[in-house]
Amino acid sequence: DTEVTQTPKHLVMGMTNKKSLKCEQHMGHRAMYWYKQKAKKPPELMFVYSYEKLSINESVPSRFSPECPNSSLLNLHLHALQPEDSALYLCASSQQGPGTSYEQYFGPGTRLTVT
Amino acid sequence: AQKVTQAQTEISVVEKEDVTLDCVYETRDTTYYLFWYKQPPSGELVFLIRRNSFDEQNEISGRYSWNFQKSTSSFNFTITASQVVDSAVYFCALSEVNAGNNRKLIWGLGTSLAVNP
Repeated sequence: DTEVTQTPKHLVMGMTNKKSLKCEQHMGHRAMYWYKQKAKKPPELMFVYSYEKLSINESVPSRFSPECPNSSLLNLHLHALQPEDSALYLCASSQQGPGTSYEQYFGPGTRLTVT
Repeated sequence: AQKVTQAQTEISVVEKEDVTLDCVYETRDTTYYLFWYKQPPSGELVFLIRRNSFDEQNEISGRYSWNFQKSTSSFNFTITASQVVDSAVYFCALSEVNAGNNRKLIWGLGTSLAVNP
């Protein structure tokens, strides 16, 4: 059973809509990640939060806005998306700090379609 | 530059065959981690194994085994007696530590494995 949950599983939105993706982890991890994955490609890192602070933004367009309300929750706010933003959005979490191995555990993803 | 190469884009086997997925990496770090992930058609990425650069012992977990060889910068994955449920895309990844001590994963392009009955 996955300990990283994501909602919703599927989302269809128009280019003028505002929506949010949600992620929750129950493993006590202090690093959380958002990835975007297109079909037949590896995941592309978007954002990393470390101890609830944004530590990496991979030059993601501002129409994607991450938020980390606490150590267990991660949101991705979406606004004015483009059809090319349609993809599988994956959340992950990992341990953080010296001596940890950093393997990332992924949620089931949200399949986003922008019309 | 750090890089992970999975030369096999697609592999098709018949059930019960053994299959090896290749992974070759490049890194200048002396300390690094290597990972394998499985992504079935449902989409969830499932962590399979981690190996650190100081531990070259091979590992076996049921029908899965991994062969890590620093001399050839390879971390290959073998499935013995493959089953239809093994059909998935398998990704090899290398961890990189940036200046902020955040680890980013460098991903291979993945190998799509189809196990046919």
